[in-house]
Amino acid sequence: DQQVKQNSPSLSVQEGRISILNCDYTNSMFDYFLWYKKYPAEGPTFLISISSIKDKNEDGRFTVFLNKSAKHLSLHIVPSQPGDSAVYFCAASTEYSGAGSYQLTFGKGTKLSVIP
Amino acid sequence: DAGVTQSPTHLIKTRGQHVTLRCSPISGHKSVSWYQQVLGQGPQFIFQYYEKEERGRGNFPDRFSARQFPNYSSELNVNALLLGDSALYLCASSLDYHQYNEQFFGPGTRLTVL
Repeated sequence: DQQVKQNSPSLSVQEGRISILNCDYTNSMFDYFLWYKKYPAEGPTFLISISSIKDKNEDGRFTVFLNKSAKHLSLHIVPSQPGDSAVYFCAASTEYSGAGSYQLTFGKGTKLSVIP
Repeated sequence: DAGVTQSPTHLIKTRGQHVTLRCSPISGHKSVSWYQQVLGQGPQFIFQYYEKEERGRGNFPDRFSARQFPNYSSELNVNALLLGDSALYLCASSLDYHQYNEQFFGPGTRLTVL
């Protein structure tokens, strides 16, 4: 059962426009959410995160929105640049077994292509 | 400063063989996590180690094992390889095990099982 879902495998956006990447989750125990970016032949790189006590977090061109009631989060990139072309993974975390064990659960990823 | 390093970069094995993958964390990081990424999927959590002790284990069979050494480097071992073990294996390091500490990923080891 996939607990973190990214239903759009790919997204194409014109340079300068807004990119919106979406993510849904099913486990209501998740309390920390992250976005990672991955270029080919490299490991994922942390982009931005949000705690479940917030509904928005901003870092430069990147903003993450969290809607807990809908179990939905989104990543907005404004303005989009060709260098943003990569695979974006949504991930979620919670403490398991009350033992200080945290696991990241990833979605399948969305490939973003920013067209010059 | 060097990032997370993994060796080897690529590896080809046959079914039934055993494989050992290695990871060196960023200096000062005491926690190492391992992930498996099958083509077309997101990374899937395998293990987390902190101060040489297992902190978490994902839903993987006992053929998968790992350990962390006093210098905080880590090994992932997979026995009795199956075709389905073909994947990119990612190692990530962080300051400690808590979820609020950023995990830094290495480039991964590409394992092909024939």
